[in-house]
This record gives sequence, C-alpha cells and structure tokens, in this order.
Amino acid sequence: EIVMTQSPDTLSVSPGERATLSCRASQSVSSNLAWYQQKPGQAPRLLIYAASTRATGIPARFSGSGSGTEFTLTISSLQSEDFAVYYCQQYKDWPPLTFGGGLTFGGGTKVDIK
Amino acid sequence: QVQLVESGGGVVQPGTSLRLSCAPSTFVFRTYAMHWVRQAPGKGLEWVAGISYDGSDKYNSDSVKGRFTISRDNSKNTLYLQMDSLRPEDTAVYYCAKVRVRGVMFFDSWGQGALVTVSS
Repeated sequence: EIVMTQSPDTLSVSPGERATLSCRASQSVSSNLAWYQQKPGQAPRLLIYAASTRATGIPARFSGSGSGTEFTLTISSLQSEDFAVYYCQQYKDWPPLTFGGGLTFGGGTKVDIK
Repeated sequence: QVQLVESGGGVVQPGTSLRLSCAPSTFVFRTYAMHWVRQAPGKGLEWVAGISYDGSDKYNSDSVKGRFTISRDNSKNTLYLQMDSLRPEDTAVYYCAKVRVRGVMFFDSWGQGALVTVSS
C-alpha cells in the first residue's frame, strides 16, 4: 500500500498571502499525483494532475510541483474562495494487484483564514 | 458541465444491504472507467471500488472486499454499488467519480454524494 502523508494538518494564511502544502508518498509514484480542493458540504474538485498540470478552468495561482515521493501544491495569492481542505491522491498503484493496493489519498490539509 | 447524480443512500441496520446508483449526464458514459470514493463524517477521502469502461475489470479496496460489488449498465447509463453486510464503519458519504482519461485513475468529475448511515 502506498501511504500518502500531507502536512501540515492545518495552515492559517491571510488573504493575499502564499500557501505551500506538502504531500509525501511512502514510495515513488513518479508524477502520478493529483490534487483536489473540497469545501464544506461539497464534492472534491480536481485542481492538478500529473503532479503539475492544472485542470480545466483552474486559476493560474494554483501550481503543483514534485515527483517521486515529494510533492507541493502552491497557492500564490490566497483568495477568499480558496479557504478549503486540500487532498493529494496517488494513482501510480493501479490496478491494485497486491493486498492494500489501489488508489490512496492523503489525510488532507485545511487552509483557513489567519 | 458533467453532472453525476447519486441515489439510494439512507439509514440501515448493521448486517443489512443497500444499493447506490449513479447516473451521469452530458458525457459518453460507456467510454470511461468509474469509481466510488467515500468520506466518513469529518474524515478524509477513501477509494472504495473501480470498474473499467466496459465492466470487464472490477477492483475493490481491502476494507470492502467480499462485501461491496461495483457494476455498471452501459445501456442504462448507470453505475451501481451493491453494499452487503454493512458495518457501522461503512457510514460515510459515497461519491461516484469519473476518470478524466481512460487508463489514468484520477477524477475530473464527482457526484454530489449519497449519505449512508449504518446504525442500530
């Protein structure tokens, strides 16, 4: 099983500031990593895939980087609508051929208003 | 705008069964793999099951193996999750999700979620 670990659990940021979120994989996932944003009461929304490619309609202030086991999501200048929980997901381990295998998500980082 | 609409959630007792459905619109359902992802109250996301575009390949997470079955009927444009032997720890919002590209398992569209509560 590939374990995804996100840090920090909570990030307090002022509007207009930069936010940097981390995601670490227990083994290499190459660039098979996606980032999602989730607001309360809503479904997740795809932000980034292939570690650094923005999904359709995602503003340029969101950027992803990294490969292997270390990944970063950066929000360059936080807007009010960006306060949410962010999840990373690896899709390297597919199909799940071993016990515990399959798609896995990190535990999430909550970005709240400082 | 892709829309996915889940149905079938509810409150059930431990040991019983429930079937969720997901009916997508505005895309060619039969050409995409589909998955179920769940989220326990106040917790993170957990992948549950996935099925290939034609239904020939199906995979479950270990936490639901032997109890949950994913299936699809492309003639009805519907995805299903049959949940048997339900446990209190299965309580969650269940999302159906569509992959963006065939063979690459990340999700570009999600349903609004169906709440399943397992309680005596």
